[in-house]
Amino acid sequence: GAGVSQTPSNKVTEKGKYVELRCDPISGHTALYWYRQSLGQGPEFLIYFQGTGAADDSGLPNDRFFAVRPEGSVSTLKIQRTERGDSAVYLCASSFNTLALAGGYNEQFFGPGTRLTVL
Amino acid sequence: GENVEQHPSTLSVQEGDSAVIKCTYSDSASNYFPWYKQELGKRPQLIIDIRSNVGEKKDQRIAVTLNKTAKHFSLHITETQPEDSAVYFCAALTSGGSYIPTFGRGTSLIVHP
Repeated sequence: GAGVSQTPSNKVTEKGKYVELRCDPISGHTALYWYRQSLGQGPEFLIYFQGTGAADDSGLPNDRFFAVRPEGSVSTLKIQRTERGDSAVYLCASSFNTLALAGGYNEQFFGPGTRLTVL
Repeated sequence: GENVEQHPSTLSVQEGDSAVIKCTYSDSASNYFPWYKQELGKRPQLIIDIRSNVGEKKDQRIAVTLNKTAKHFSLHITETQPEDSAVYFCAALTSGGSYIPTFGRGTSLIVHP
């Protein structure tokens, strides 16, 4: 089946603009994660959804960042008043219900990312 | 929170040599340690993982070792091939929580033919 997809693959915007980044998880995956990856760094956690609700948003850097997942499938990461420092690759990952296995962990499958450039 | 350090940042080897990448973690509650391979411009993919109840796991040419006492774990690649060239990330997380991995900064492995 299809893997995790993200659109757009590239987004160039001007400082101060609003952007939306979309993630389509693997069908049946209830857990969805957003990460930000800067050049030369590992993925940095932003927010985690279990179903429709944000189970952990402790990684969002400030209130300009917001994410939704209204129907428990597709998720949108929204960034208001973009700044040059927001430039990075934004990765989405999904997995089966992380609570499904007692003491277990379900592999996260990553999307190809959206490269955001803020001029 | 968890802090993961990864070394080296760059590793250059000749084809056929072995490569070792090391990571340390700070949170003794971490009990699951995945390794991801990310080729240039592509998505990270899980290549091997280890849980805290074992000390070593092997899958063909790759192996991972874990020392819980010292809080470090390593990725070993034997008989390296040019297609092993990529950035490798280690991660640590605690099962039973939000399953949010903390990633290392990555190691760029270059295998020269």
